Amino acid sequence: EAEVAQSPRYKITEKSQAVAFWCDPISGHATLYWYRQILGQGPELLVQFQDESVVDDSQLPKDRFSAERLKGVDSTLKIQPAELGDSAMYLCASSFNAFGLGALERYTYEQYFGPGTRLTVT
Amino acid sequence: GIQVEQSPPDLILQEGANSTLRCNFSDSVNNLQWFHQNPWGQLINLFYIPSGTKQNGRLSATTVATERYSLLYISSSQTTDSGVYFCAVEPSYNTDKLIFGTGTRLQVFP
Repeated sequence: EAEVAQSPRYKITEKSQAVAFWCDPISGHATLYWYRQILGQGPELLVQFQDESVVDDSQLPKDRFSAERLKGVDSTLKIQPAELGDSAMYLCASSFNAFGLGALERYTYEQYFGPGTRLTVT
Repeated sequence: GIQVEQSPPDLILQEGANSTLRCNFSDSVNNLQWFHQNPWGQLINLFYIPSGTKQNGRLSATTVATERYSLLYISSSQTTDSGVYFCAVEPSYNTDKLIFGTGTRLQVFP
């Protein structure tokens, strides 16, 4: 069964250091999402890609976070510099979202999540 | 924005018991998903259910979109059912986006 892959599974870093997370979506899924989940809460969207383009990064703290999906397949999320408040689970998800002519028609499908990267900033 | 509330927030059961988890949402939605987050943090898809009723083994779900709620039924619970259950909705005004609920933490004891 196809799965979303993420690495690393766990990361401990000191504040002010740079950290990067990698995600490989299910083959054929054009839409890729990065979420952050703080302990005790539900996941919240950070950034959404459609192929290689950013569709929504309104909740991404752009002063320290960046995300890319250069070839429209796998993606990297980076934090630089990391802060204590960034300690959380970072989840990647993908879905097969189809668009009709002129993107006027949009069909959405369920999202599938990877195992996540648990980040601890010390 | 849309509000997604789940109840109860915590649930403790003995193995074999049945339970009902509820998800209320404050605006119209295109789609709704139920997830189980296991103790290792993995979100596992349970149901993709914008409306109607679906069943998968001991689990079933019902969504009444017109009344803005969904229910997840767990029958004959097992210790492996422990974890956090989330519902997530795709608002009609903001498609492709999932807004997660507050979660229900379930603990099943032998």
